[in-house]
Amino acid sequence: QKEVEQNSGPLSVPEGAIASLNCTYSDRVSQSFFWYRQYSGKSPELIMSIYSNGDKEDGRFTAQLNKASQYVSLLIRDSQPSDSATYLCAVNRGGGGADGLTFGKGTHLIIQP
Amino acid sequence: GAGVSQSPSNKVTEKGKDVELRCDPISGHTALYWYRQSLGQGLEFLIYFQGNSAPDKSGLPSDRFSAERTGGSVSTLTIQRTQQEDSAVYLCASSLQGAQGYTFGSGTRLTVV
Repeated sequence: QKEVEQNSGPLSVPEGAIASLNCTYSDRVSQSFFWYRQYSGKSPELIMSIYSNGDKEDGRFTAQLNKASQYVSLLIRDSQPSDSATYLCAVNRGGGGADGLTFGKGTHLIIQP
Repeated sequence: GAGVSQSPSNKVTEKGKDVELRCDPISGHTALYWYRQSLGQGLEFLIYFQGNSAPDKSGLPSDRFSAERTGGSVSTLTIQRTQQEDSAVYLCASSLQGAQGYTFGSGTRLTVV
């Protein structure tokens, strides 16, 4: 059973601080990793993808991947109240990446003004 | 189209009735996925299409669930003899290739009464 684990939270972070969201996965052959943001009552929205070890930055977001530790994280700098949402970590299901993603249950992030 | 379109957005049905949910993916996207999300739960994979074929149906919860895709485009998810535990938001997503992150539709909220 391929699994993706996230702390459900809520994770409360003051406005302007760095929010750090973590995710571990069980399948060593996983190759593609994604972070989605889901506002309450809305569908998930892709915000970051990462495929190789190290850091990938996009604006205020940084994704970090460590395949040896089977660990992927998302950092949000200068957190804003609009960042309050549930963040879903997703990992490709198959070794070849062609058959869909397995999602974690998500971390509920609250940015306090 | 510009995004993934799902219909209906809301469906209330009586227990035992059949329902059909429709997904129109982004034009040119060859991969199409169905997930469902129950209240407060993570995303549960149902089925994946590459073109018109469904290489992975392992997530369908029972034989009451079926899905098809025609012309490499529109997909329908059919639930026969609906049960109350089928109540959830059914999300469709599409991508250019299976290994990429994908775009979700706004979902169909199904309520079985």
